[in-house]
Amino acid sequence: AQTVTQSQPEMSVQEAETVTLSCTYDTSESNYYLFWYKQPPSRQMILVIRQEAYKQQNATENRFSVNFQKAAKSFSLKISDSQLGDTAMYFCAFMISNFGNEKLTFGTGTRLTIIP
Amino acid sequence: ETGVTQSPTHLIKTRGQQVTLRCSSQSGHNTVSWYQQALGQGPQFIFQYYREEENGRGNFPPRFSGLQFPNYSSELNVNALELDDSALYLCASRNPQQETQYFGPGTRLLVL
Repeated sequence: AQTVTQSQPEMSVQEAETVTLSCTYDTSESNYYLFWYKQPPSRQMILVIRQEAYKQQNATENRFSVNFQKAAKSFSLKISDSQLGDTAMYFCAFMISNFGNEKLTFGTGTRLTIIP
Repeated sequence: ETGVTQSPTHLIKTRGQQVTLRCSSQSGHNTVSWYQQALGQGPQFIFQYYREEENGRGNFPPRFSGLQFPNYSSELNVNALELDDSALYLCASRNPQQETQYFGPGTRLLVL
């Protein structure tokens, strides 16, 4: 069974600073995907960034980037130049690339607060 | 906006009742998954439907059932509601050729 661990229940950072959220996972699979989702108080789960396990290059989306360490099974999210709108719960999630078993396994989340 | 909608937004039921939650997926997304998110937790996978058939299920009892329709809509049915069923229920759709799941805004269910 796959597990995802987010060890930081809460974090806060000043606006415009950089923050890194941690995520580790456990799996015996070799083909999988990793995701960071953002869930603001409005409850809508929004995709922030995704990473294919077979790609060594770290994914980047504007101010969001990941540090994917496959051997260490680590997948951290870096938010640069943080903005007030980044305040939300952030969930790390894992998915096996296997038809019929493509469920997302989520961590328990990190509540991020951006301080003005 | 993800193009995925859910109804109703909120719902209050009493223990023992039955409930039906609805989801409308993005056009072309013939795979839909349902998740239960208890307060303060990450979402838990309930089941997945592909081309109107269940093709994956999490650790949920048979009183959780679903349907998927040809028009990209789907339902989650829960029978014999229990207090612990109180949660946010999320549906997510995707194109089976892609890995990203797009979530709806969820339905908040409260069981009294």
